[in-house]
Amino acid sequence: AQSVTQPDIHITVSEGASLELRCNYSYGATPYLFWYVQSPGQGLQLLLKYFSGDTLVQGIKGFEAEFKRSQSSFNLRKPSVHWSDAAEYFCAVAAMEYGNKLVFGAGTILRVKS
Amino acid sequence: DADVTQTPRNRITKTGKRIMLECSQTKGHDRMYWYRQDPGLGLRLIYYSFDVKDINKGEISDGYSVSRQAQAKFSLSLESAIPNQTALYFCATSDADRGPGELFFGEGSRLTVL
Repeated sequence: AQSVTQPDIHITVSEGASLELRCNYSYGATPYLFWYVQSPGQGLQLLLKYFSGDTLVQGIKGFEAEFKRSQSSFNLRKPSVHWSDAAEYFCAVAAMEYGNKLVFGAGTILRVKS
Repeated sequence: DADVTQTPRNRITKTGKRIMLECSQTKGHDRMYWYRQDPGLGLRLIYYSFDVKDINKGEISDGYSVSRQAQAKFSLSLESAIPNQTALYFCATSDADRGPGELFFGEGSRLTVL
């Protein structure tokens, strides 16, 4: 069965520091990959997605993610974190062999300290 | 106004009561979803509908039912609520033409079952 692992439940970074949130998935083929962000009291918003092609994808709010097939990973990065980036981040995966239904990881809560 | 609107936003009820959560959307999307969010578990799919005549179970449909009253409306019912259905519930929509996984979420309905 498909699964998505986000190893870090909480991460704290200083404002202005770089950020990397980890995501690993288990599938047979190359799935569709996504990162969503949930700000406090809000629904989820799509940050970026990977379907095929260039393995480094750019998203909104200055985020990027890199697909590494050999590591089954899709890590999210940002060079310089702003206080407004404090939120919960979800990696998600969809695959044709599972009807393209989206499966979410457990989430990583990002705290930004000033 | 929000593109995906959920009502109520908050509800406290007692064990055994029937509860309905409603979702309406103005995005014109055919596909609608209900997810449940629990801390540390991410989002899990309850039911989804690809058009008015199409209803499908997700991974955790037991104890829930849905109704797709129109293209724009998709409601979730708990026939006899129990405490472990206490959670944050999200409605989402997607456009089939934009590929899998790109969902647009409502702001959530927080349900507490006492």
